[in-house]
Amino acid sequence: NAGVTQTPKFQVLKTGQSMTLQCAQDMNHNSMYWYRQDPGMGLRLIYYSASEGTTDKGEVPNGYNVSRLNKREFSLRLESAAPSQTSVYFCASRPTGRSITDTQYFGPGTRLTVL
Amino acid sequence: RKEVEQDPGPFNVPEGATVAFNCTYSNSASQSFFWYRQDCRKEPKLLMSVYSSGNEDGRFTAQLNRASQYISLLIRDSKLSDSATYLCVEDTGRRALTFGSGTRLQVQP
Repeated sequence: NAGVTQTPKFQVLKTGQSMTLQCAQDMNHNSMYWYRQDPGMGLRLIYYSASEGTTDKGEVPNGYNVSRLNKREFSLRLESAAPSQTSVYFCASRPTGRSITDTQYFGPGTRLTVL
Repeated sequence: RKEVEQDPGPFNVPEGATVAFNCTYSNSASQSFFWYRQDCRKEPKLLMSVYSSGNEDGRFTAQLNRASQYISLLIRDSKLSDSATYLCVEDTGRRALTFGSGTRLQVQP
């Protein structure tokens, strides 16, 4: 089991460029999440998907779009990157979110710099 | 008011010391809580779960005080390898877990 995988690990973009961050999990989890983490700050939820075919906004969705391609994959797209989107992006998955024992498992992160 | 509040630290302790972190939460209906560990520039990893009054795993003890709405993490016999940021996490039953901003621990030789 690879767990949660993310690609790429590092990326540098110019302002206005677009890109897609990829995330996949092999744990058969229903729920998947995208977070960003800025220096000295906590994790902020961008978007999440409670199950295949559904997506919902988190606390900081502006400037991003997501696609839950299938149960395994959840991608995050920046249509027109801005310097304010320089951050570390973490993808996470969770079995169902309906059991008190469920918790989230994180991928290794993508470090994005927008110039 | 933030839903999960933690002292950012840093807590600087010598090897072998006992250190404790507290975390307060705002939703009295929350069922479960977690402590995650995050090393510099790495992903958060689950350290412990807390469902009832507490949980113990080796040198680590997590306790839940529902009356005062806080959870704590106690680390005994600190090791250099315990240096990390510890994230307090609340499951409010909503869309995703709610993460605190973390408490940084530095264990010194």
